[in-house]
Amino acid sequence: NAGVTQTPKFRVLKTGQSMTLLCAQDMNHEYMYWYRQDPGMGLRLIHYSVGEGTTAKGEVPDGYNVSRLKKQNFLLGLESAAPSQTSVYFCATGQGIEYDVSYEQYFGPGTRLTVT
Amino acid sequence: LAKTTQPISMDSYEGQEVNITCSHNNIATNDYITWYQQFPSQGPRFIIQGYKTKVTNEVASLFIPADRKSSTLSLPRVSLSDTAVYYCLVGDDRGSTLGRLYFGRGTQLTVWP
Repeated sequence: NAGVTQTPKFRVLKTGQSMTLLCAQDMNHEYMYWYRQDPGMGLRLIHYSVGEGTTAKGEVPDGYNVSRLKKQNFLLGLESAAPSQTSVYFCATGQGIEYDVSYEQYFGPGTRLTVT
Repeated sequence: LAKTTQPISMDSYEGQEVNITCSHNNIATNDYITWYQQFPSQGPRFIIQGYKTKVTNEVASLFIPADRKSSTLSLPRVSLSDTAVYYCLVGDDRGSTLGRLYFGRGTQLTVWP
């Protein structure tokens, strides 16, 4: 089992370009998350999904869009990249039990994005 | 917002026990406390989770007092490979506990030989 995979691992974009980051999981988890991590900032939640066809905003959603068309995939899109979006992006999955939430998440290896 | 406060850094020597304390004064009644470990250039890895009292697994122990306003991660006999950033998380109770987490800046633990 691959667990949680992210594509691509590295990417350099010019300001204004667009791109999509792909997260794929084979763990059959309902919940999926996108985080960004900047130096000294810890991880900040961008968007999350509690199931196929659902998405919700996290702490820092501006400038990003997401889609969860299939249970195993969670896409993060940048429509018009800005230098402030230079970061490491992590995808995570979790089982998530309503009203008795389990916060055990499984993280992917990350995507290092640079916007020039 | 159930934020957390941890020391920015800690140092230890190999073989010692390390205790990292996290404050979470606004923890919600149904929130769990979860700890993660992160090595450079890797995603965080789940260590342990608890609700109250004490939880122990093969990696660590988690101590939670009755008021649940703080918690302590205990790593027994650390080695050089335990050098990492440790995050304490509690649920973000904004009217919904579904999938909301707050990762603070974490504690950089450095283990010396």
